[in-house]
Amino acid sequence: DVKVTQSSRYLVKRTGEKVFLECVQDMDHENMFWYRQDPGLGLRLIYFSYDVKMKEKGDIPEGYSVSREKKERFSLILESASTNQTSMYLCASRPNPGLAGGESSYEQYFGPGTRLTVT
Amino acid sequence: AQSVTQLGSHVSVSEGALVLLRCNYSSSVPPYLFWYVQYPNQGLQLLLKYTSAATLVKGINGFEAEFKKSETSFHLTKPSAHMSDAAEYFCAVHKYTGRRALTFGSGTRLQVQP
Repeated sequence: DVKVTQSSRYLVKRTGEKVFLECVQDMDHENMFWYRQDPGLGLRLIYFSYDVKMKEKGDIPEGYSVSREKKERFSLILESASTNQTSMYLCASRPNPGLAGGESSYEQYFGPGTRLTVT
Repeated sequence: AQSVTQLGSHVSVSEGALVLLRCNYSSSVPPYLFWYVQYPNQGLQLLLKYTSAATLVKGINGFEAEFKKSETSFHLTKPSAHMSDAAEYFCAVHKYTGRRALTFGSGTRLQVQP
C-alpha cells in the first residue's frame, strides 16, 4: 500500500513564525502536491512538484514556498505565518502515467493532513 | 479551464435511504473523474474512479457512480445509507492534457440520521 505521511497532525504557531510542513511518500512517486482545505472551498492546490528540485505554482501559491531535495520528501514552507493561513494542509503523491497510460495513472494518494492554527 | 461543481454542500438522509451526491464537470474532452471520501480528522481516501473503461463505476463500501457525457455529470449513489457513511465527499477531475493535479469540487457533507 502507498503510504503518505505528514510530520504533524496538529500544529500551533504564532504570527510571523517560519513554519515547515513535511511530507514523505514511500512509493517512489514522481509527483507530489500540497493542498489546503477550507470549509466550503474544497481543496485548493498550493504547489506541486513533478521531479526532484522541480516545482510549479498551483492556484494559491502566495505566502508559501516549497522544497523537494529528495524524491520521497516534499516540504511546504510558510515564510512568515499569518492568521489567514490557519487551515488543514493535505499532501498527496502519484506516479507518472505508465507507457500504456494505465487506469491508476492519475489517482492521488493523500496523507492524513496537518491542521495548522496560526495565532 | 476545467471545473467541478458539487450541488449541495450538505445532504442529510435517513439510515437505509438512497444516497445521491451530485457532481458536474466542465470539459470539452471527457476527463478522468474521481470521488474521494474524507472521514473526520483524516485525509482523503479514493472511493472510485472513471477512466473511460466503463460508464458505471463501482467503488468501495457499496458506492457507485455513472459517467454521463451528455449531462457532463458523475453523480455518486449508494442504495442504502449506513451510519458509517457520514463523511465529506469530494468530486475531482483530471484532464489528460494540461496540468498534473486534480481539480476538486467544494465538497458535500453527508449526514445520516438514525
